[in-house]
Amino acid sequence: DAKTTQPPSMDCAEGRAANLPCNHSTISGNEYVYWYRQIHSQGPQYIIHGLKNNETNEMASLIITEDRKSSTLILPHATLRDTAVYYCIVFLAGGNNRKLIWGLGTSLAVNP
Amino acid sequence: GAGVSQSPRYKVAKRGQDVALRCDPISGHVSLFWYQQALGQGPEFLTYFQNEAQLDKSGLPSDRFFAERPEGSVSTLKIQRTQQEDSAVYLCASSLVPEGSNEQFFGPGTRLTVL
Repeated sequence: DAKTTQPPSMDCAEGRAANLPCNHSTISGNEYVYWYRQIHSQGPQYIIHGLKNNETNEMASLIITEDRKSSTLILPHATLRDTAVYYCIVFLAGGNNRKLIWGLGTSLAVNP
Repeated sequence: GAGVSQSPRYKVAKRGQDVALRCDPISGHVSLFWYQQALGQGPEFLTYFQNEAQLDKSGLPSDRFFAERPEGSVSTLKIQRTQQEDSAVYLCASSLVPEGSNEQFFGPGTRLTVL
């Protein structure tokens, strides 16, 4: 089972920031938080990941709370092309484990 | 450079038929993954290769499902005696290195419909 909880859907106005929350209250110390998104009829796309510190790249920012029990993915200026399902995944790397456990994600609709 | 490609993009099979789905990963990528995605659900892990070695096949739903990557590059997912519950999108992903970041690059998927 997925170890994360996300709202099933969200709306955002074009040009505004989209803040997508994720709860992972049972996360362990060595588990990373990964975010992927999936645009309709396409394969998932990696966005960002982090362990403890906040992270930023050209696509998004990831804010992880100090207790690491929740995080927020921020798309600073959402566009219509950001409409997609966003998945928050907790991942523990080790040995031969490369398995990502996906939940249902958040369906983000960016409206004009 | 080219991304992950999968073929065919769409496959319709009659129940009981065998199918083979192909994945061409990004050149040089060591790791290769197969996922199954039912309608309205997130992807579900099937199996993982590091080069030609199948290191994790815990997600394969039955012995009708078989995956191979004989030369550590192209991979094939074979489903024998297909059943209606096998209808799904089958996603392939690859990543550059087996350690560290688990950034996976996905193909567009093969949509399998079993009648």
